[in-house]
Amino acid sequence: GAVVSQHPSWVICKSGTSVKIECRSLDFQATTMFWYRQFPKQSLMLMATSNEGSKATYEQGVEKDKFLINHASLTLSTLTVTSAHPEDSSFYICSASTSGEQETQYFGPGTRLLVL
Amino acid sequence: GEDVEQSLFLSVREGDSSVINCTYTDSSSTYLYWYKQEPGAGLQLLTYIFSNMDMKQDQRLTVLLNKKDKHLSLRIADTQTGDSAIYFCAERASGTYKYIFGTGTRLKVLA
Repeated sequence: GAVVSQHPSWVICKSGTSVKIECRSLDFQATTMFWYRQFPKQSLMLMATSNEGSKATYEQGVEKDKFLINHASLTLSTLTVTSAHPEDSSFYICSASTSGEQETQYFGPGTRLLVL
Repeated sequence: GEDVEQSLFLSVREGDSSVINCTYTDSSSTYLYWYKQEPGAGLQLLTYIFSNMDMKQDQRLTVLLNKKDKHLSLRIADTQTGDSAIYFCAERASGTYKYIFGTGTRLKVLA
């Protein structure tokens, strides 16, 4: 149980385009979802926290208009990187937690984004 | 502020025990976690411990918590080549569901 998927697993795009990444909880209802960014050989940095039906809470230094997060249902959250640039290239990982087990986050497999 | 630190590398021989260490700063942390990340993959939860516990064992994994020194360790018994990965410890900030991750320890198991 507690499986989280991400789609796509990797994406290459041209500079200036927008990229949408999906995060789904497959067998549980995710009341809270988290988006992280991981640079090569570095730790995970939390970008934002989203609760279903509410606006996301962004961490300091993360541009809201650059990284659009939508948590429209209890099983789906999306991260859209708008007008992507090469410096946005990174590994994006989502995680999800349930209302009954909010202490534990279940992580997706990650999406590798390369902006040319 | 909160900070979680780990040594960057650890190399062990197959069959030996591995001990990965982590120090944290938030004395009010309630949960502490160990995650495993294989190349190109997401994070796999290995185990977690409540801050009111000193030790937790789960098959080959043993977690030790020293609250006084704010030190957490993960011991892997009979380490196998499949254990080669990056191991992250994380603390959950008090009053929130926000995780603070360590820098990760790259474990290399030599055959």
